[in-house]
Amino acid sequence: EDKVVQSPLSLVVHEGDTVTLNCSYEVTNFRSLLWYKQEKKAPTFLFMLTSSGIEKKSGRLSSILDKKELFSILNITATQTGDSAIYLCAVEGGTTDSWGKLQFGAGTQVVVTP
Amino acid sequence: KAGVTQTPRYLIKTRGQQVTLSCSPISGHRSVSWYQQTPGQGLQFLFEYFSETQRNKGNFPGRFSGRQFSNSRSEMNVSTLELGDSALYLCASSFGDWFSEPYEQYFGPGTRLTVT
Repeated sequence: EDKVVQSPLSLVVHEGDTVTLNCSYEVTNFRSLLWYKQEKKAPTFLFMLTSSGIEKKSGRLSSILDKKELFSILNITATQTGDSAIYLCAVEGGTTDSWGKLQFGAGTQVVVTP
Repeated sequence: KAGVTQTPRYLIKTRGQQVTLSCSPISGHRSVSWYQQTPGQGLQFLFEYFSETQRNKGNFPGRFSGRQFSNSRSEMNVSTLELGDSALYLCASSFGDWFSEPYEQYFGPGTRLTVT
């Protein structure tokens, strides 16, 4: 069965700090890994990493995928209080019983203090 | 482009009743996936529909069902509600052509269901 483990489960940082979130996974026929940000509402899409796109960057957020070691990292630099949220990692497998199914990790709760 | 919409946003039901939730995907998206989110279990996959066909189903009892219409809008139904069904129900839409490049799933705002 597909498995996604995120660490740490929670962390508190000061504004301006850099945050590194980890996601390790086990999935049959890896197809993609996605990062989402969830505040008090639905998850908002951040990045999708695939075999053909193992690094993504948008502003202060960046992510890499290591397909050999089966993990991904999400970095947030120069954190702001608006970055406070739960960050979710999800993987999609490449078998027919994975169609449309994202397997989510438990999430990392990030709190950025002023 | 409008995002994924879900109705209703909040619902309170009594044990034993049934409920129907609706999801309208992003225009052009043909795949709709449903998820249940609870504090204890996190986000769990319910089922996925593509072109009016259920292609995949998660490990939920038969009380949970769904369907998709020709315009890609989808509904999910929960019959004989139990207290443990209280959760945030999220739908996500995607192009869903799984035979080509992977596509992102975009989530709607969710329906908060409370069963009393």
